[in-house]
Amino acid sequence: ELKVEQNPLFLSMQEGKNYTIYCNYSTTSDRLYWYRQDPGKSLESLFVLLSNGAVKQEGRLMASLDTKARLSTLHITAAVHDLSATYFCAVVEYGNKLVFGAGTILRVKS
Amino acid sequence: DSGVTQTPKHLITATGQRVTLRCSPRSGDLSVYWYQQSLDQGLQFLIQYYNGEERAKGNILERFSAQQFPDLHSELNLSSLELGDSALYFCASSGEGSPYEQYFGPGTRLTVT
Repeated sequence: ELKVEQNPLFLSMQEGKNYTIYCNYSTTSDRLYWYRQDPGKSLESLFVLLSNGAVKQEGRLMASLDTKARLSTLHITAAVHDLSATYFCAVVEYGNKLVFGAGTILRVKS
Repeated sequence: DSGVTQTPKHLITATGQRVTLRCSPRSGDLSVYWYQQSLDQGLQFLIQYYNGEERAKGNILERFSAQQFPDLHSELNLSSLELGDSALYFCASSGEGSPYEQYFGPGTRLTVT
């Protein structure tokens, strides 16, 4: 059974600082997704990572995938308050079934 | 706006009752997925339909059932409701071909009292 672990589960950071969220998964998979969720809202797709070494960037967020280490990272550069949200990684188990991590609650303090 | 619609937005009902949640996928998407989000279980995959056929099943209780209709909308039926069924229920849809990205609807918040 595929397990997905995220850490940290809670991250409080100052504006302007950098930090990384880690996503480890237990068995081989060919796709990994990052989603953002604002309180009480739906999930917004951020990145889709399909291959080993894939790196994608959007604004202050950059995601990477190492399939050999079964690890993905979501790096936040020069955080701003608007990035405060919960971030989930999700890994495909079979077919298109997504297994989600527990989520990382990010709070950016000004 | 993802293009996936769900109704109702909120539902409050009593234990033992039955409810139906409805989802319309993005135009052209043949796959529909149902997920449950609760504080204790996190986000869990329930079931997937593809063009009317059940494609994959997750941790879906026997009291729950789903179907996808010819017009591709889907319904999730929850019966004999318990307090622990209170959660956010999301529907997602995806199209053909890689990367099979799933687009999530706004969710239905179910409260069982």
